Amino acid sequence: DAGVTQSPTHLIKTRGQQVTLRCSPKSGHDTVSWYQQALGQGPQFIFQYYEEEERQRGNFPDRFSGHQFPNYSSELNVNALLLGDSALYLCASSLRDRAFVDGYTFGSGTRLTVV
Amino acid sequence: QQQVKQSPQSLIVQKGGISIINCAYENTAFDYFPWYQQFPGKGPALLIAIRPDVSEKKEGRFTISFNKSAKQFSLHIMDSQPGDSATYFCAANTGRRALTFGSGTRLQVQP
Repeated sequence: DAGVTQSPTHLIKTRGQQVTLRCSPKSGHDTVSWYQQALGQGPQFIFQYYEEEERQRGNFPDRFSGHQFPNYSSELNVNALLLGDSALYLCASSLRDRAFVDGYTFGSGTRLTVV
Repeated sequence: QQQVKQSPQSLIVQKGGISIINCAYENTAFDYFPWYQQFPGKGPALLIAIRPDVSEKKEGRFTISFNKSAKQFSLHIMDSQPGDSATYFCAANTGRRALTFGSGTRLQVQP
């Protein structure tokens, strides 16, 4: 049973460009959360999607947007990239009403470098 | 602001020793406290979690101790092994809210 799959694994973009990151949740999970992890730091919550709607949002600007599809997969879009957006972007999936029992399953992340 | 403060930032332990990582939180509404383990190039993986209605939870060599009145919780790794060398994150949340992570502890277990 595949866990959380993220693509691509690495990405290099130029400042000002736009990027789309993709996530396929663990089978059976219905909720997808995105986190940004700067080097040497803990993951910071970006937003969470459930039933194709953004349910929660962290302290990130509107340049960060997302989408969830009917098959529960999700995309994270970042517009007008800044150098400070360079980080590991993690996708975590969960079953909405059992997250506190089963926890969140994280993917290996997408390493985004903005130059 | 909801914060979880984690210490130490890094830890070196000899094989067979006890590794102890501490976290403190501010939001008394938090009711779920997991610990995650992250190896280089990988995402965090759930290690063990506790709810505030118990003061301790043990799974194998890993134990969470929880002090509700002090708003603190800690991870103890008994008989630490080189394979335990990783970065450990404490986290907390309530209900369906997103996890708030600590800043991480880089553990090195020396042979």
